[in-house]
Amino acid sequence: DGGITQSPKYLFRKEGQNVTLSCEQNLNHDAMYWYRQDPGQGLRLIYYSQIVNDFQKGDIAEGYSVSREKKESFPLTVTSAQKNPTAFYLCASAGTRSSPLHFGNGTRLTVT
Amino acid sequence: GQQLNQSPQSMFIQEGEDVSMNCTSSSIFNTWLWYKQDPGEGPVLLIALYKAGELTSNGRLTAQFGITRKDSFLNISASIPSDVGIYFCAGQFTGTASKLTFGTGTRLQVTL
Repeated sequence: DGGITQSPKYLFRKEGQNVTLSCEQNLNHDAMYWYRQDPGQGLRLIYYSQIVNDFQKGDIAEGYSVSREKKESFPLTVTSAQKNPTAFYLCASAGTRSSPLHFGNGTRLTVT
Repeated sequence: GQQLNQSPQSMFIQEGEDVSMNCTSSSIFNTWLWYKQDPGEGPVLLIALYKAGELTSNGRLTAQFGITRKDSFLNISASIPSDVGIYFCAGQFTGTASKLTFGTGTRLQVTL
């Protein structure tokens, strides 16, 4: 079945450590996105990539980094510079720049 | 980054009742999308609207793209317990990069 896989589902880290969240898609989609979701808020865009080896900052990119070395993979690194890293992180992909987004099932990151 | 105004923030309804929620923006969009999110899962696309004035149905769900292109609404008829979840609107202006702007969500709870 085609889809977007995020792993792990739950992730716990100590403050000051970098952590990388995985996102893989087998939909052959060109565009991939990372969103952050906090309780009571909508989704906020962290980074997006419309093509391999290219990516752009979203609205809240500070403290995060990404790479897009392969079409099917778009990992997100939450660095120690991110002041409030505890959140639910959602990865999404789209076939074209005008296509609706399809989401993975998210990774809940808790930093203590 | 901008977030859309979505209302109501939450609603408790009885099974069988109809539900209505809306989304407004200060900017115009070319596309309006409605997503549903279950607890701990990623949002799932319900309806996509591509034209001002468009009215589209998906089973018991009906959504409309406002004539001004600055609003949209979603109706759910004859609600059932599995309608419980958070409903998000999202607007997209395809003249720019394909970023979605999300509403803050409407939490729906259905009582028997």
